[in-house]
Amino acid sequence: DAGVIQSPRHEVTEMGQEVTLRCKPISGHNSLFWYRQTMMRGLELLIYFNNNVPIDDSGMPEDRFSAKMPNASFSTLKIQPSEPRDSAVYFCASSLGWGTSGTQEKETQYFGPGTRLLVL
Amino acid sequence: AQSVTQPDIHITVSEGASLELRCNYSYGATPYLFWYVQSPGQGLQLLLKYFSGDTLVQGIKGFEAEFKRSQSSFNLRKPSVHWSDAAEYFCAVAPASGGSYIPTFGRGTSLIVHP
Repeated sequence: DAGVIQSPRHEVTEMGQEVTLRCKPISGHNSLFWYRQTMMRGLELLIYFNNNVPIDDSGMPEDRFSAKMPNASFSTLKIQPSEPRDSAVYFCASSLGWGTSGTQEKETQYFGPGTRLLVL
Repeated sequence: AQSVTQPDIHITVSEGASLELRCNYSYGATPYLFWYVQSPGQGLQLLLKYFSGDTLVQGIKGFEAEFKRSQSSFNLRKPSVHWSDAAEYFCAVAPASGGSYIPTFGRGTSLIVHP
C-alpha cells in the first residue's frame, strides 16, 4: 500500500487567497483525521470523519476552515481566506476506525507526509 | 477525557548511549498506547503500540516500551542510540472503549544525539 497521500507537499500563498489541501487515505480505512502542527500549539486535531461523515469538527479554528470527504478515498481541507497565522504543517491520517469489528487495529492512525503551508 | 504528558521537551544523549523517553497518561481505564517518531520534514511514523497482553512491547528500529499500570506510564527505551534516531517522539493514548477512537497526543520530546 502507498500509505496516506497528501498534496501538495508545500504551498506558499498570499494572505486572502484560498488554499486547498488534499488527502487520499489508506484503502479500506474508515476514519480520516486532519491535524495541524505548529511550534506553539503542537499537534492539534482539526476534524475527523468516519465513513465519509464528519463526526467532530470542534477543532476547526474558524469558519474560514472547511473540510469535506466526498468519498472514501478523498478528502479536502480548505482555508478561505487564508491568513499568515494559518502557516503550519497540516497532516492527514487514517485508521480502520468504526465499522471494523474484531480488531484493535482500528485505533492505530497512519499519517501522511504533511503539507507545509506558508501564508505571506 | 484522556490526557498525555511528556515531561521532557528535549533530551540529549551521546551516540551509543541508552535512551528512555517518558510518557505519562491520564485515563479512567487501561487505554491503548502508542509511540510515534517524526523525523525532520516528515510525517509521523508509528514505532510501536500497546493494546493488551505483554506489557513490554517491541517496535521498529530497535525501540521498546513498557506499560506500567501502577505508574500510568508508557516509557520508550532503546539500549543504544544511533545518530539517525535524532527526531521528535510523540506518545499518544486512545480510549480502549466508548467508541471515540480518537487518540490524544503528547507535546513531543525532541531527541538530540551527539556523536
